Amino acid sequence: QKEVEQNSGPLSVPEGAIASLNCTYSDRGSQSFFWYRQYSGKSPELIMFIYSNGDKEDGRFTAQLNKASQYVSLLIRDSQPSDSATYLCAVLVGGSNYQLIWGAGTKLIIKP
Amino acid sequence: GAGVSQSPSNKVTEKGKDVELRCDPISGHTALYWYRQSLGQGLEFLIYFQGNSAPDKSGLPSDRFSAERTGGSVSTLTIQRTQQEDSAVYLCASTFTSGSSYEQYFGPGTRLTVT
Repeated sequence: QKEVEQNSGPLSVPEGAIASLNCTYSDRGSQSFFWYRQYSGKSPELIMFIYSNGDKEDGRFTAQLNKASQYVSLLIRDSQPSDSATYLCAVLVGGSNYQLIWGAGTKLIIKP
Repeated sequence: GAGVSQSPSNKVTEKGKDVELRCDPISGHTALYWYRQSLGQGLEFLIYFQGNSAPDKSGLPSDRFSAERTGGSVSTLTIQRTQQEDSAVYLCASTFTSGSSYEQYFGPGTRLTVT
């Protein structure tokens, strides 16, 4: 059973601080890793993806991947109240027939 | 360009009726997923279409659920003899794949309420 685990939260972070969201996965053959943001009542939207070990930065967002430890993180710098949402981690697994496996999401609350 | 569209946006139906939910993916995207999401819950995978391959139906919760994708584009999810536990938001996701790139974009969803 291929699994993706996230702490459901809520994770409460003061405005302006760094929010750190974590995700672990079970399939060592996983190739690509994605972070989606979902506002209440809305569909998930892709915010970051990472394929290689290390860090990938995009504006205030940094994705970190450690394949040896099988975890992927999302850091949000200078957190804003508008960052309050549920963050979903997804992992791409499979050989000839890829499929995304989803975590249940972490609810992030940024306190003004 | 145009994103993923789904119709209807809301559907209220009586228990026991059949419903059809439609997804128009982004042109050129080869893969299409259906998920459902109950209030406050995560995404539940239902079915996955990849190119001309046989669909992965492993997530369909019962034989009342079926889906098809015509011409590699538009997809329809059909729920027969709806039950109250079928009430959820049904999300379609269109997926672009190229080499190591795998980007999935969601439609706005269909909110299904079974009374």
